[in-house]
This record gives sequence, C-alpha cells and structure tokens, in this order.
Amino acid sequence: GQNIDQPTEMTATEGAIVQINCTYQTSGFNGLFWYQQHAGEAPTFLSYNVLDGLEEKGRFSSFLSRSKGYSYLLLKELQMKDSASYLCAVRGKPASGGSYIPTFGRGTSLIVHP
Amino acid sequence: GAGVSQSPSNKVTEKGKDVELRCDPISGHTALYWYRQSLGQGLEFLIYFQGNSAPDKSGLPSDRFSAERTGGSVSTLTIQRTQQEDSAVYLCASSPTSPLTRETQYFGPGTRLLVL
Repeated sequence: GQNIDQPTEMTATEGAIVQINCTYQTSGFNGLFWYQQHAGEAPTFLSYNVLDGLEEKGRFSSFLSRSKGYSYLLLKELQMKDSASYLCAVRGKPASGGSYIPTFGRGTSLIVHP
Repeated sequence: GAGVSQSPSNKVTEKGKDVELRCDPISGHTALYWYRQSLGQGLEFLIYFQGNSAPDKSGLPSDRFSAERTGGSVSTLTIQRTQQEDSAVYLCASSPTSPLTRETQYFGPGTRLLVL
C-alpha cells in the first residue's frame, strides 16, 4: 500500500509564493497527481509527475524526486481564489488483486489572505 | 461539454434506512471510480469499474456497501442499513480508459450524505 503525508494547513499572503510538500512511501511508483479542491466542490486536476524533475504549468509547478519519495506543489503570484485544499495522490504497485488506483493524502488547506 | 454528474446532491436519512447514490460519468469514459471523503480526511477509494465489471472493490468498507454499473455508463452506489459513520461526501470520478495511464480522473460534485 501507500502512505502519504502532507501538512494539514498553510497560510500565505496574496502575491507571494507557497510550496506545499508531499512525502510518500510506496511499494512501487507509477505516478503522482496534485488536485485542487475548493470547499464544497469536486477535486480538479492540477498536475501529474512520473519522472524526476519539475513540471511547470502557468503559476503552478510540481516537482518530484522518486528516490526521496518527495513532491511539492509550488504556487506563484498567489491569488485569493487559490484558497483551497490541495490533494496529493500517489499511484503505486497494487497489492495482489488490486489495481492502479491512486491513493490520496488528507490534503493541505491553503488560506490566502490579503 | 457535460462533466460528471451525481444525484442527489444532498441526502439526509435515518439510521437503518437504505440509500442509493447515482453517478453519470462523462460520455465515452470506460473507467468509473467511487470515493468517500469524510470531514478532515482524504479521499478514500471504494470501488473501480472498467465497463460494467468491477476489477477492484477492495475499498468497500463492509457488505452493506454495493455498487453496480449498467450499459458502461451510469453507476449506482447502494448503502444498506445506513449507520451514522456512513455520513460523508461520496464522490464519483471517471476517466477515458484505465487507471494505468497518465490521464486524469474527472470528479463529480459529490453527494453529501447525512445519517441521523
């Protein structure tokens, strides 16, 4: 199975940069996802990493180090609308009879204040 | 285009009653997933469908939970004899093919279930 750890809550100022970390232990590795979830809404896809390095997409970037079992989501030029929960999900080698369904962390609640 | 839809959006029921939750995936998506999200918890995987079959139902918490999918489209999640600990948001997601690709899962808005 997989074990995923991310901070429960973070606060940041509008216009600043924030880094949300995710560490994981998995018996195999087949990709890591980041999702954004606003309160009362469905999670929406942000990024996917399967190889080491940085993936940049506009104001959001995601980094992966497979050897360290570590990823981070970097949000630049923070806006008030970025206040949301950010979910890290890891797809590992499934247990016998299982499938490649990602396992989600508990999410990091980001509060952006003026 | 139309996304994943779920109904009802909210459901309040009494302990011991049965409930049925519905998911309409994006048209053409063959993979469908059910998750549960409790307050302050991550998404908990329940069951995965590929077409009408369920290759992985390892996350169903008890035999009170069951799900089916018909016509490779609509899915229903049934909870029998509901308990208060079943209170949660039940999320459905779909993806074009299988979980072993980099394609993302598209989530529905969820059904908020409250068991009194």
